Amino acid sequence: SQKIEQNSEALNIQEGKTATLTCNYTNYSPAYLQWYRQDPGRGPVFLLLIRENEKEKRKERLKVTFDTTLKQSLFHITASQPADSATYLCALVRDYKLSFGAGTTVTVRA
Amino acid sequence: DGGITQSPKYLFRKEGQNVTLSCEQNLNHDAMYWYRQDPGQGLRLIYYSQIVNDFQKGDIAEGYSVSREKKESFPLTVTSAQKNPTAFYLCASSMGGSSGANVLTFGAGSRLTVL
Repeated sequence: SQKIEQNSEALNIQEGKTATLTCNYTNYSPAYLQWYRQDPGRGPVFLLLIRENEKEKRKERLKVTFDTTLKQSLFHITASQPADSATYLCALVRDYKLSFGAGTTVTVRA
Repeated sequence: DGGITQSPKYLFRKEGQNVTLSCEQNLNHDAMYWYRQDPGQGLRLIYYSQIVNDFQKGDIAEGYSVSREKKESFPLTVTSAQKNPTAFYLCASSMGGSSGANVLTFGAGSRLTVL
């Protein structure tokens, strides 16, 4: 069966450092991979998507990589700020259907 | 402002009662979805609808029912048959279609607690 795994531990980092989150999957061939941000008690908000034939995508301080051979996506937040503290979800897309990981909670210390 | 409105934000239910969660969107999106979120688990799809008057079961549809009589509205009923209904419920919408990236726009969520 399909399985999506994100960092099992919460991530605590110092302001200004780079946060790196992983999303690994098995038994799946996604056409797209998306990343969402979720604040406590709120709905997720879309951040970035990357296609299966793309290696890397950037948006401001965010960078996503997608390795279909390793079946892994990395999500980087550079020059992190306390306002980046949230839970980040990866979602795999195939035939318009999304499957979500459980999320990684990031806390950025000032 | 365009978006998705879910209500109520918090809801308490006694065992044996049905409750209905409201979801309205003004994004002119064709597709709408209901997800359930539990601590430590990914979002799980309950029901989805790609067009008015049509909907399909997701991965965990048992104990839930939906309707899609209007493009803007996709209410979810949590019935007494749902064994463990306490959860955070998220409604989402997208432009739809059978392919493509299908980026979702989510509502703020409804937290249901069974007393």
